[in-house]
Amino acid sequence: AQSVSQHNHHVILSEAASLELGCNYSYGGTVNLFWYVQYPGQHLQLLLKYFSGDPLVKGIKGFEAEFIKSKFSFNLRKPSVQWSDTAEYFCAVMRGLTGGGNKLTFGTGTQLKVEL
Amino acid sequence: GAGVSQSPSNKVTEKGKDVELRCDPISGHTALYWYRQSLGQGLEFLIYFQGNSAPDKSGLPSDRFSAERTGGSVSTLTIQRTQQEDSAVYLCASSFGDQPQHFGDGTRLSIL
Repeated sequence: AQSVSQHNHHVILSEAASLELGCNYSYGGTVNLFWYVQYPGQHLQLLLKYFSGDPLVKGIKGFEAEFIKSKFSFNLRKPSVQWSDTAEYFCAVMRGLTGGGNKLTFGTGTQLKVEL
Repeated sequence: GAGVSQSPSNKVTEKGKDVELRCDPISGHTALYWYRQSLGQGLEFLIYFQGNSAPDKSGLPSDRFSAERTGGSVSTLTIQRTQQEDSAVYLCASSFGDQPQHFGDGTRLSIL
């Protein structure tokens, strides 16, 4: 069965530290990959997505992610985190559903806390 | 409104009662999805509606769960004879075509 693994469940960083959150998936076909973010008290928001092309994708707020097909990975990075990046981050893989549409399979999430 | 709207935002009920959760998708979005987010777990796909097609119910955990989407817009997720393990945040999302899904704020369901 298709699955998405996020190995870091809780991450604590100081402001200005660099961030890398791991995401691995198990699916042999063509994949569309996403990172979503959920700030405290807010709904899930799209951070960035990869459909095809350049495997290094840029998202909002200085985030980027690199798709490495040989490693089945889509790690999220940010060179210098801010206190406002404190949130829960979810990696997701999209596959098609019968009859059209798409199903997102999410990882268990990584809770990031950035300390001043 | 501009986003996906879910109601109620919080629901507390006794074990064995039935509950209904509502989702109002973004206007014009043809696809509607329900997910469940349990403590310590990721977001679990429940059901998907696309236009007038038969829904994909492959994620529903038991026959106590059902959902409807009337008129291709508002959807209701119903849980019958609720159990404590049904306690979770239930999220609704909508999308159009191949565009990413937009999520609502969710309904936090607590079963006593």
